[in-house]
Amino acid sequence: KAGVTQTPRYLIKTRGQQVTLSCSPISGHRSVSWYQQTPGQGLQFLFEYFSETQRNKGNFPGRFSGRQFSNSRSEMNVSTLELGDSALYLCASSLGRGVGNSPLHFGNGTRLTVT
Amino acid sequence: AQSVTQLDSQVPVFEEAPVELRCNYSSSVSVYLFWYVQYPNQGLQLLLKYLSGSTLVKGINGFEAEFNKSQTSFHLRKPSVHISDTAEYFCAVSDRGAGNMLTFGGGTRLMVKP
Repeated sequence: KAGVTQTPRYLIKTRGQQVTLSCSPISGHRSVSWYQQTPGQGLQFLFEYFSETQRNKGNFPGRFSGRQFSNSRSEMNVSTLELGDSALYLCASSLGRGVGNSPLHFGNGTRLTVT
Repeated sequence: AQSVTQLDSQVPVFEEAPVELRCNYSSSVSVYLFWYVQYPNQGLQLLLKYLSGSTLVKGINGFEAEFNKSQTSFHLRKPSVHISDTAEYFCAVSDRGAGNMLTFGGGTRLMVKP
């Protein structure tokens, strides 16, 4: 079974631009979560989607948004990019909600560099 | 609000020596606890988890962790490390009922030397 697939692996953007990252979950998984990883702030939760609905949102500005499609694939969008948005963005999928019952499976991430 | 503290940012150790990576958490409710490992240029891989029951949990690659409720700790141990264990290790906590939201510690870089 294929793992969580994130595309692209690397991105370079300029300040002020916007970017869209994609995540394809493991087949059969219905929940997708996004995390941001930076050297300064570490790993921080962005949002969680289940059945095309956002279920949880972390403490990030409105420039960060996401969505989930009927096939469970998810995208996240960052508008008006800032230098501080440079990070590794990790997507994780699980069968359902609740990490106690459905462990998270992480992709290899998309590394975004903002210049 | 939850928080997770990993007390050591780096832990150097010689091959075949034992190692302990420390993790303390704070939460006002019952939690699930996890340890993840991250190799360079890769995502996170689950090592082990504590949900309930026995406080000693065993994971993959010979790792184990012990949940101590009174000390709010969840330290990771391995009796004999290998060069291939060199990686970043993250402790994480989730409130029961918080869906798939994890709060991570800052990470500990384990450096195994020959």
